[in-house]
Order: sequence, then structure tokens, then C-alpha cells
Amino acid sequence: SQTIHQWPATLVQPVGSPLSLECTVEGTSNPNLYWYRQAAGRGLQLLFYSVGIGQISSEVPQNLSASRPQDRQFILSSKKLLLSDSGFYLCAWQGGGNTGELFFGEGSRLTVL
Amino acid sequence: QKEVEQDPGPLSVPEGAIVSLNCTYSNSAFQYFMWYRQYSRKGPELLMYTYSSGNKEDGRFTAQVDKSSKYISLFIRDSQPSDSATYLCAMSGYNYQLIWGAGTKLIIKP
Repeated sequence: SQTIHQWPATLVQPVGSPLSLECTVEGTSNPNLYWYRQAAGRGLQLLFYSVGIGQISSEVPQNLSASRPQDRQFILSSKKLLLSDSGFYLCAWQGGGNTGELFFGEGSRLTVL
Repeated sequence: QKEVEQDPGPLSVPEGAIVSLNCTYSNSAFQYFMWYRQYSRKGPELLMYTYSSGNKEDGRFTAQVDKSSKYISLFIRDSQPSDSATYLCAMSGYNYQLIWGAGTKLIIKP
């Protein structure tokens, strides 16, 4: 069966520091992968999605970047964090077949101070 | 106007009540409709999936799609405290890019 792992689960970072969140998927090959951010009490904001190695689409211009160095690995990064980067970051992979549903990791809660 | 509108709540009901959660949308090209449940500090999990119009039932949960009114609903029968969570609707067309509602926070009081 397919599983998705995301880490770290929680982190507190000072303003201006770098960020790296990692996501890996097991049990499937060439998945579509997504990074979302969820602000407190709000819906999901799509940040990046990837249909393959090295292929990244950015939905919202901002202080973040994404990379996909391997088929089942998706990384979210920042060189200098802003206070507004605080939030709950979710990685997801898209199921196969003609359905399109997403399956999410447990999330990474980022607090920028 | 947002593509998908969902009342953020919170919606508070007593245990055992029937819960109705709803979303409206504006894009007539949407064909796939989903409901996700998200517990506090966890990732969303897929609860129900429906293609096009009609009803789908799974245990205490029923998903309903009315494409003519651009309106979808999730009904929860015999609600339990463990159903307390945020419920998000999501939908897409044939490009499979999901558009999300803001989520409704549901509280089931024992």
C-alpha cells in the first residue's frame, strides 16, 4: 500500500533563517506531488505541484521554493523565512485512475518568530 | 467570488443529531467531488468521493451532489463526538486540479 511521510512534524525558526521540509512517498511510482499551506482556521492554499523529477509548478509567488530531486521525494525550501511563512504545511500525492483525489501526509507545523 | 464557498462554522450539535455540511460552487465543469475530514493538527483524510450527480452512502455518511444547483452536501447520521473535526469539500474537472472550500469546523457535544 502507498504511504506518505513528511518531516519534521514541528519546528520553530527565527526570521531570516532557512527552511527545508521533506516529503517522501512509498508504494507508488511517478506520483503527482503537492505542497499546500494551511493558515490557522483557513482552507488549503496550493503552493507547488510536480508531475515528475525536476518539474515544478508554482501557484503562488512567494518566499518559498520546491524541488523534486527523486521520483518520490519532494522538498519545500526557503532561504530566508518571514513571519508570514508560519503555518501548517502539507504534502500530498495524487491517486491514480480517473479520480484525482489527494492523499496527505501528517503535516509540518512551522512557527517563525 | 470564490469558486467554492463553504461556511467555516463552527457548527455545534448534540450527539446523535443529523449533521448537514454544504458547499456551493460556480464552475459547471467540475465533475469530481470529495469530502475530507481533518482532525486537529493532522493532515486531511479522504472521507467520500462522488463523480457527477447523485448520492453515495458509506455507513453513517451520505454525500450528495446536485449539479443543476451547483451544490454538494455531506450528511452525518447518528453523530458521535469522534466526528468532531474540520470537514473540507474539494472538487475538480477533468484536469484533476482540486479546488478547495475553506472547511467547516464541526463540534459534536456529548
